[in-house]
Amino acid sequence: DQQVKQNSPSLSVQEGRISILNCDYTNSMFDYFLWYKKYPAEGPTFLISISSIKDKNEDGRFTVFLNKSAKHLSLHIVPSQPGDSAVYFCAASSDSNYQLIWGAGTKLIIKP
Amino acid sequence: NAGVTQTPKFQVLKTGQSMTLQCAQDMNHNSMYWYRQDPGMGLRLIYYSASEGTTDKGEVPNGYNVSRLNKREFSLRLESAAPSQTSVYFCASRNTNQPQHFGDGTRLSIL
Repeated sequence: DQQVKQNSPSLSVQEGRISILNCDYTNSMFDYFLWYKKYPAEGPTFLISISSIKDKNEDGRFTVFLNKSAKHLSLHIVPSQPGDSAVYFCAASSDSNYQLIWGAGTKLIIKP
Repeated sequence: NAGVTQTPKFQVLKTGQSMTLQCAQDMNHNSMYWYRQDPGMGLRLIYYSASEGTTDKGEVPNGYNVSRLNKREFSLRLESAAPSQTSVYFCASRNTNQPQHFGDGTRLSIL
């Protein structure tokens, strides 16, 4: 049973436009959510996070929105750039040891 | 500026062979983690070490053992490799209230 789901395996967006990546979760005990970015043959790198006490967190071109009632979060990238082409993973945690439960990832392709 | 270093980067084993994957971090992090990533799936936690001297099972520990050798190093051992353990293995580390930092992975194939 997948507790964290990213239902879109891939997403193609024009350079300069907004990219919106979605993530749904089922466990109401999750209280911390993160987005990681991964290039081929590299490890994931941390992008942005949000605590369950907030509904929005912004860092430059990246904004994460959390809708607790819908158990849904999204990552907005504005404007999208070619270097944003990567696989994006959503992850969630519910304990102090920070065990992360990961979604399967969404491959973002930015078209020139 | 190494961060998290994993060795080897690639390995091919035969069924039944044993192998240890090495991980070292130079960021003085307390916690370390081992994950596996399979095609079409997210990362799954195998084992973690919340601090030096402690280890705990994650989501998929069967067939693996770990050793937290010191604060810097956390190794993952396959005692008798099976084809189902073919995967990409990632090591990560973190300090309290910080996100996890990952190595570049070990690509392991078991024939």
